[in-house]
Amino acid sequence: KAGVTQTPRYLIKTRGQQVTLSCSPISGHRSVSWYQQTPGQGLQFLFEYFSETQRNKGNFPGRFSGRQFSNSRSEMNVSTLELGDSALYLCASSFGSRFPDREENFGPGTRLTVT
Amino acid sequence: GNSVTQMEGPVTLSEEAFLTINCTYTATGYPSLFWYVQYPGEGLQLLLKATKADDKGSNKGFEATYRKETTSFHLEKGSVQVSDSAVYFCALSDQKGSSNTGKLIFGQGTTLQVKP
Repeated sequence: KAGVTQTPRYLIKTRGQQVTLSCSPISGHRSVSWYQQTPGQGLQFLFEYFSETQRNKGNFPGRFSGRQFSNSRSEMNVSTLELGDSALYLCASSFGSRFPDREENFGPGTRLTVT
Repeated sequence: GNSVTQMEGPVTLSEEAFLTINCTYTATGYPSLFWYVQYPGEGLQLLLKATKADDKGSNKGFEATYRKETTSFHLEKGSVQVSDSAVYFCALSDQKGSSNTGKLIFGQGTTLQVKP
């Protein structure tokens, strides 16, 4: 079975621009979550989607948004990029809906650099 | 709120040494507990998990026991290899009230370096 795929793998943007990152979950998985990883803040939860509905959102400004499509693929968007948005963005998919029946399978991440 | 605390790294060991990485947590309810591993340039891989008190998760020689009385989930391995060099993250499933949120809360990560 193919794992979680994320595109692009690397991205360089300029302050003020916007960016869209894409995530394709493992086939059959309906839950997708996004995390931001930085050296200073570690791994922080962005949002979670299940069957096209956002169920949870982390403490990030409104510039961070996302959506999930009917085929479970997900995108996240960051508008008006700031230098502090430079990070590794990780997507995870899960077959189960809730813990303890849920197990996150992470993709390789998209490395975003904002200059 | 819920949180996870891991021992500071880096941890440097010789091959075949015994490994312990400490992890303690603060949580309401009954979270699931996880250990993830991240190799350079890659995403996170689930190493093991435990979903209730006294459960032992194990995989690839690593193991951890869910200790509710000490709120701990320490990672151990009897004999490490150079290929175990990576960053290890302890995590718990977040809960609000009686329902879980589908969100993981991670510790800061512990870098393990194993020398030949």
